[in-house]
Amino acid sequence: AQTVTQSQPEMSVQEAETVTLSCTYDTSESDYYLFWYKQPPSRQMILVIRQEAYKQQNATENRFSVNFQKAAKSFSLKISDSQLGDAAMYFCAFRIFTGNQFYFGTGTSLTVIP
Amino acid sequence: DGGITQSPKYLFRKEGQNVTLSCEQNLNHDAMYWYRQDPGQGLRLIYYSQIVNDFQKGDIAEGYSVSREKKESFPLTVTSAQKNPTAFYLCASRRTVLLGGYTFGSGTRLTVV
Repeated sequence: AQTVTQSQPEMSVQEAETVTLSCTYDTSESDYYLFWYKQPPSRQMILVIRQEAYKQQNATENRFSVNFQKAAKSFSLKISDSQLGDAAMYFCAFRIFTGNQFYFGTGTSLTVIP
Repeated sequence: DGGITQSPKYLFRKEGQNVTLSCEQNLNHDAMYWYRQDPGQGLRLIYYSQIVNDFQKGDIAEGYSVSREKKESFPLTVTSAQKNPTAFYLCASRRTVLLGGYTFGSGTRLTVV
């Protein structure tokens, strides 16, 4: 069975500071993809960043980057220079290489303090 | 612009009624999905479909039904057998390529009154 765990239900960060959201997962598969999605108050889910498990290099998208530790099954999201618009629920998700189903964590609610 | 349209945004259901949530996409995506979102539980898969006229149950399919008569459309019916239907429902689609991520609709909030 595949599981995704986000152990931080809530996080807060000062505007312009850096915050890291944690995610761990469990799978016996070796080939898979990992994703971070953002859900702002509008509740529209938006893809933030994605990582292929076979790539050692961590993915980066502007102010968003990941720390992917395959052996530890860890996939944290770092948000640099936090902005008020970053305030949202963040979900970590996982899909095996040939699978159809995404597995989601329970989310981390991020508050950005002005 | 391509995207996924879910309607209605808010839906109220009386006890014992069936209701249908609409999901339409113009992205030419093959696969479509329905998720239920409850506070503190993340997203849970109800049903998914990879091709027209074919669909599979997800983790919480009981009390729900779907159809996939057209590639663009994947409606979800919440039946009276679903004992706790009040939730936020999200429809998603994706291209069936290896790194394909989801594109989500804006969701439907269903409330039983």
